[in-house]
Amino acid sequence: AQKVTQAQTEISVVEKEDVTLDCVYETRDTTYYLFWYKQPPSGELVFLIRRNSFDEQNEISGRYSWNFQKSTSSFNFTITASQVVDSAVYFCALVNTNAGKSTFGDGTTLTVKP
Amino acid sequence: SQTIHQWPATLVQPVGSPLSLECTVEGTSNPNLYWYRQAAGRGLQLLFYSVGIGQISSEVPQNLSASRPQDRQFILSSKKLLLSDSGFYLCAWSVLAGGFGTQYFGPGTRLTVL
Repeated sequence: AQKVTQAQTEISVVEKEDVTLDCVYETRDTTYYLFWYKQPPSGELVFLIRRNSFDEQNEISGRYSWNFQKSTSSFNFTITASQVVDSAVYFCALVNTNAGKSTFGDGTTLTVKP
Repeated sequence: SQTIHQWPATLVQPVGSPLSLECTVEGTSNPNLYWYRQAAGRGLQLLFYSVGIGQISSEVPQNLSASRPQDRQFILSSKKLLLSDSGFYLCAWSVLAGGFGTQYFGPGTRLTVL
């Protein structure tokens, strides 16, 4: 069975601080995809990044960076110099490549205060 | 470009009444389609997913059902709503080629059962 754990339920930081959102996953599949999504107050989920299980390269996109470590089954997300607009719920997700079945974590609510 | 539509945006229904939520996708063929429910302050729960017309996989036993009468149409139904059916319902799509596994979400339907 697949499982995604986001241990941090809520995080609160002050603007310009760096913040890391943790994600740990479990799967028996050797091939899978990992994702991060952002859910702003409007409710619609916004895709941020996809990483396949064979690609452990870290990725940086502007203030966002992702650290994928297969050895620890983790896919952490760091926001550098956080801004108030980063306030949202962030979800980590796992998708197996056979049937496209998806498993989401419970989400981390990030609040960035001015 | 691809777009996904959900309606209605909000719905208030009495306990015991029927339900029909519709999701349609434009700009792609043979997508995987998904229904999720998000309870207030909680994560995403996968309810149903479909890899083709008439093919529905149910993830959680409940009084909800799903149907896919056309390639790009996904319907979530119930004959009799329960109070516990309240929540935010999200439809999503993904494709096999290229961005396989990346799910793109609709705007969601907020359902309140009274």
